[in-house]
Amino acid sequence: EVQLVESGGGLVKPGGSLRLSCVASGFTFSSHSMNWVRQAPGKGLEWVSSISRRNSHIYYADSVKGRFSISRDNAQNSLYLQMNSLRAEDTAVYYCARGSVGATTVTHVDYWGQGTLVTVSS
Amino acid sequence: DIQMTQSPSSLSASVGDRVTITCRASQSINRYLNWYQHKPGRAPKLLIYASSSLQSGVPSRFSGGGSGTDFTLTISSLQPEDFATYYCQHSYSTPPTFGQGTKVEIK
Repeated sequence: EVQLVESGGGLVKPGGSLRLSCVASGFTFSSHSMNWVRQAPGKGLEWVSSISRRNSHIYYADSVKGRFSISRDNAQNSLYLQMNSLRAEDTAVYYCARGSVGATTVTHVDYWGQGTLVTVSS
Repeated sequence: DIQMTQSPSSLSASVGDRVTITCRASQSINRYLNWYQHKPGRAPKLLIYASSSLQSGVPSRFSGGGSGTDFTLTISSLQPEDFATYYCQHSYSTPPTFGQGTKVEIK
């Protein structure tokens, strides 16, 4: 069974930093591209970032470019999102989501985690 | 960026009804269109990818169609577990933007 479990969310002050983690199981993690998608309170889904299976292709939404950094450790079946210079508008549930096998571009995502809540407030 | 516009934003329907949701892209996206179902507090679920391909395990009452700029998601006979918010998303280019969502409520 495919499982994606996020952690690392919490309350942080504006300008602060947070690192989200996602541990994957039930599939060959190193074969798939991976993504972060978020949902702000009362809003819709927003794609944040994608990373190819070997880190060769990385993409960011304009709203987080230069502040967020996606990475992965295939040996640990883990995906990360380093979030710096956080703003109130970054408040959201952040979902880890699996992309397609071998993809180097954005694709549909077929499995999602339950999400972790990030709240940016003073 | 490609903008995705869904209609309606919300709808009320009864169990057994046929429901159709429309998604329009601001430019041609070929058939790179996906549909997700999202219930509060739950992980979103992929229903349809590449416009009309049914994701494994998804009931056959869900179907998708369209190409270019206009797409549809149809639920042939609405079931109690189908009340949720539905999102389209393109995967034609970066950023892969989502529509604003369509909330399907019980009539």
